Order: sequence, then C-alpha cells, then structure tokens
Amino acid sequence: SQQGEEDPQALSIQEGENATMNCSYKTSINNLQWYRQNSGRGLVHLILIRSNEREKHSGRLRVTLDTSKKSSSLLITASRAADTASYFCATDNYGQNFVFGPGTRLSVLP
Amino acid sequence: DTGVSQNPRHKITKRGQNVTFRCDPISEHNRLYWYRQTLGQGPEFLTYFQNEAQLEKSRLLSDRFSAERPKGSFSTLEIQRTEQGDSAMYLCASSLPPTDYYNSPLHFGNGTRLTVT
Repeated sequence: SQQGEEDPQALSIQEGENATMNCSYKTSINNLQWYRQNSGRGLVHLILIRSNEREKHSGRLRVTLDTSKKSSSLLITASRAADTASYFCATDNYGQNFVFGPGTRLSVLP
Repeated sequence: DTGVSQNPRHKITKRGQNVTFRCDPISEHNRLYWYRQTLGQGPEFLTYFQNEAQLEKSRLLSDRFSAERPKGSFSTLEIQRTEQGDSAMYLCASSLPPTDYYNSPLHFGNGTRLTVT
C-alpha cells in the first residue's frame, strides 16, 4: 500500500499564483522527497528533506516537514504554465525502497 | 551522464505472451529500482537491486514477474503469461548508494508503456 497521501488530488491555479500541496504519511521516515512528473514521462526529483530538517528551499520551491504530524508540504511560488504536472511525495523505509503517494495533479492556467 | 534509458518505450502484446523490458541506469549508480504505475496513481514499488543483488521484492509481485541485473549494470524485467491487469507504465530508476544513512534521490527513465490486449 502507498504510505504517502497527497492532498489535494487536483489543483488548478492561475499563472503567477502560489501552489501548495500536502503529503501525509503513516510510519517513521528517514527522509521525504518530492518529485514532478510530466504526462507520459518519468519522474524528476525536485527536493529532499531529511527527518531532522523542518524546512528547505530550492529556487521557487519551499518544502516543510512536520514529523510530529507526519506531514509535509510543497509550495511552488509564482507558478508558471510549465509547472503543470503531477507532483508526488516519496518516503523511504530507512535505506530500503521508496514509497510514493497517489500524487497531486497541478494545472497552471496562462 | 546520459540519464536512465528504458527500452522499448511502448509494447503491445497479447494476453498470455511473455515480455521483457530493459533498463540501462546511470553508469555510476549501484542501485536500480523497478516501479509500476497505472493511470492516475503513483509509482508502485516492484523490486530493487544493489549492484547485482536483488535486495527486496514487493509482496504484490506475482511469480510471473522476474527481474535480473546480471553484472550490476543493466537490468531486465520479464513478465510471463501476461494478463490484461499487467497493462501499466513500468518505470526504472537508479541512484547512488546511501550516504550518512540517508538515501540518494532516484533518477527515473521515461518508462515502458505495456498494453496487454
């Protein structure tokens, strides 16, 4: 079964707006990662946050992690049409495989 | 770094036939993963290798599925006696070994889309 659960399942915003996606998970994790997938393509790694970190930034991306609530959020600021994609969180089982959630489908309208 | 390469990109087969997919990882990556993804869902873990050793296999993986990585480089995933439920995108990913007890990011190929008719 998938451990991570993204919320919302789908999000539609205007270009220039910010997009926030959330991820909840069930068991203890080592780190949490966010990936993007364009239609018909493989996943692309965006950012990794370790279990002892609370916030991380990369360009227009901001990720937070709350291990007490077993949740993470991904914020994309000043969104662009090219940000249209599905976004997945993935958790690892302490060095073993990665478990992905069902994803959030983001549509950025020009 | 030429990225992770998967072949073929598309495969259409009739139910009951066997199919084999190939994955060529990034050369210095010793970990290789196989995932399956159906429409609207996230990738579902199938199996992973560290070098040539298959370290974990999903309990969801039936015995019709087998994966190999004979020399620790490329990998093949074979599905025997395909069923319509096997129709999905099969994704391969590779990564460097973990550092300081933390996993490295996965680098995905563009997948092989399997359609079983």
